[in-house]
This record gives sequence, structure tokens and C-alpha cells, in this order.
Amino acid sequence: EVQLVESGGGLEQPGRSLRLSCAASGFTFGDYAMHWVRQVPGKGLEWVAGINWISGISAHADSVKGRFTITRDNAKNSLFLHMSSLRPEDTALYYCVKDISSGLSEAFDIWGQGTMVTVSS
Amino acid sequence: DIVMTQSPDSLAVSLGERATINCRSSQSVLYSYNNKNYVAWYQQKAGQPPKLLTYWASTRQSGVPDRFSGSGSGTDFTLTISSLQAEDVAVYYCQQYYSSPYTFGQGTKLEIK
Repeated sequence: EVQLVESGGGLEQPGRSLRLSCAASGFTFGDYAMHWVRQVPGKGLEWVAGINWISGISAHADSVKGRFTITRDNAKNSLFLHMSSLRPEDTALYYCVKDISSGLSEAFDIWGQGTMVTVSS
Repeated sequence: DIVMTQSPDSLAVSLGERATINCRSSQSVLYSYNNKNYVAWYQQKAGQPPKLLTYWASTRQSGVPDRFSGSGSGTDFTLTISSLQAEDVAVYYCQQYYSSPYTFGQGTKLEIK
């Protein structure tokens, strides 16, 4: 079964750091681009960052550029989001998402259940 | 950034009737070298992550019922549900993957009339 399982979310204070992880199974992880997408409960979807299959190309939304970094470890079938200088507006459910292609982005065909990040003092 | 604007924001349709959701991009998402429209549609039911319905504007994802169809080109796109079923109650999002940031529409909430 194809599966993405996120972890690492929680309550953190503004200005602090957090690392989200995503464990992939059921497919050849290293063959596909991967992304993080976030959603404030009850609101819409916001793409956060994406990385191609071999980590050669990545992109980040302007709202997180310079604060968040997406990385991957193909040997461990894992995706990460390194989050620093957290702000209250980063509060959201963060989804790990599989791309249908190996390049930076086509459509997103597999989504995890998400991990909740709350930034508050 | 490419802005994706959906209409309407909410929609109530009777069971068995057709539901139509529109999406307009602020610039063309048709890539001339391959003649493909870089648009996808997703369905999100309450308490669940989104599910991919169609990509390349009109290619149905494997396992998606054929009552769901996507159409359009350039800047104007449509998701049509030909005969609404009770399980289709959800929020629907369009997305462009033509250029980063890969933006979503604001969502359309579909309910049963």
C-alpha cells in the first residue's frame, strides 16, 4: 500500500525551529518529486516547498523562503521540512505529498494525513 | 505568481444532476512545447487529505469515477460531475503546476440540494 506518514508537528514558540519528517512506503521513493503543502484548518491549500527526485532542484514559497528548507534522503525513503524562525501564521496542518513525476512538479497524487504545527507563545 | 480563481465559492446541486465548477488562471498555463495545460483538480472530503481527480486539465486519475471530467485550455478550466452522488459532497480545488509557486484556487464547496 502506498503510504506517506508525517511526524514532528506540535506546539512551538515564535522564533523557534521545528523539523517535520515524512516516511514513505509502497512505492520507489527516489523516482518521484515530493512536496509539502499546508492548510489552516477550515481554509484552503497552500503549496510550501517541492524537491525533485534527486535533490538537484528545490523550490519554496515566498512566504517561507529563507526560513524553511525541504530536503530528502532517498536511502531512507524520507522527506523533511526544516522550519526556522517560526511565525504564528505558519500554524497549519502540513501535508507530505507525492508528485506524479520525477521533475520538480506535475500533479500531486498521494497525500499523507498531515501533521499539525501550532506556533504560539 | 499565477492566481487561480474558482467560481462559484459554493454550490448546491440535486442528486443525479450535473455540477459544474469553474477555474480561471491569471495567465495561460498551456505549455506550447508539449501542448499541455498544467492544471489539476482535487477533491477534499471533511477530515481527509485532498484526492487527485484530474491532471493535464482532462486526464482522469486512475480509480476516479468517470462521472468526473475536466476540460478547458489556456486560462479557463472546468470540472464537471455529470450525475451528482451523495459521496461527492466535498470541497474542490483547482491547481496550476505550470510555474512555482504551484498555486491552488480558493476552493468550491459542493453540497446536496
